[in-house]
Amino acid sequence: DIQMTQSPSSLSASVGDRVTITCRASQSISSYLNWYQQKPGKAPKLLIYAASSLQSGVPSRFSGSGSGTDFTLTISSLQPEDFATYYCQQSYSTFTFGPGTKVDIK
Amino acid sequence: EVQLVESGGGLVKPGGSLRLSCAASGFTFSSYSMNWVRQAPGKGLEWVSSISSSSSYIYYADSVKGRFTISRDNAKNSLYLQMNSLRAEDTAVYYCARDFGMKVAGIAAPGFDYWGQGTLVTVSS
Repeated sequence: DIQMTQSPSSLSASVGDRVTITCRASQSISSYLNWYQQKPGKAPKLLIYAASSLQSGVPSRFSGSGSGTDFTLTISSLQPEDFATYYCQQSYSTFTFGPGTKVDIK
Repeated sequence: EVQLVESGGGLVKPGGSLRLSCAASGFTFSSYSMNWVRQAPGKGLEWVSSISSSSSYIYYADSVKGRFTISRDNAKNSLYLQMNSLRAEDTAVYYCARDFGMKVAGIAAPGFDYWGQGTLVTVSS
């Protein structure tokens, strides 16, 4: 089975900050990597698919990069509504989610 | 508008059974693979099971294999999860989610674009 790790597990940031979250797969998954945002009590929301493609309706401040085993999610200028938990997900072989990265207010 | 509405959650004793349902609307249900994802209280997301559009392909997480059964009824626009031999560690909010079937450069790039609101399953004596 493919295992996913994320770093950091949590971070504190201010509005306007550039935020980068890293996701690593235990084996190469090509570009089969998605990113989700989840707010408390809500279902996850798809942000990025296929490592770098922006899902329809998602603000352009979100971007994704990487291939193989190492991936990043970048928020170019953090907005108040972006405080949430972010999960990566591999879709190369069934599905596995990363453990999540909680972004909160500094 | 795409909608996924789960039902069937509740309190069940260890070793018991429960059947979850997910009613889909606003899209051609029979054209999409569907999934169940769960989230234990205060924990992360865990993929549980997937079923292809025609039920030809079915997959399970190791943690539920042999105990859970995914199925669908395309005529009723509904997805199901039969859960048997339930354990305390199955306690979670269960979400159904659509695989949007996107293709990038002609290659399928699975991802879950629509999710239900979730239904809570509590396994406790």
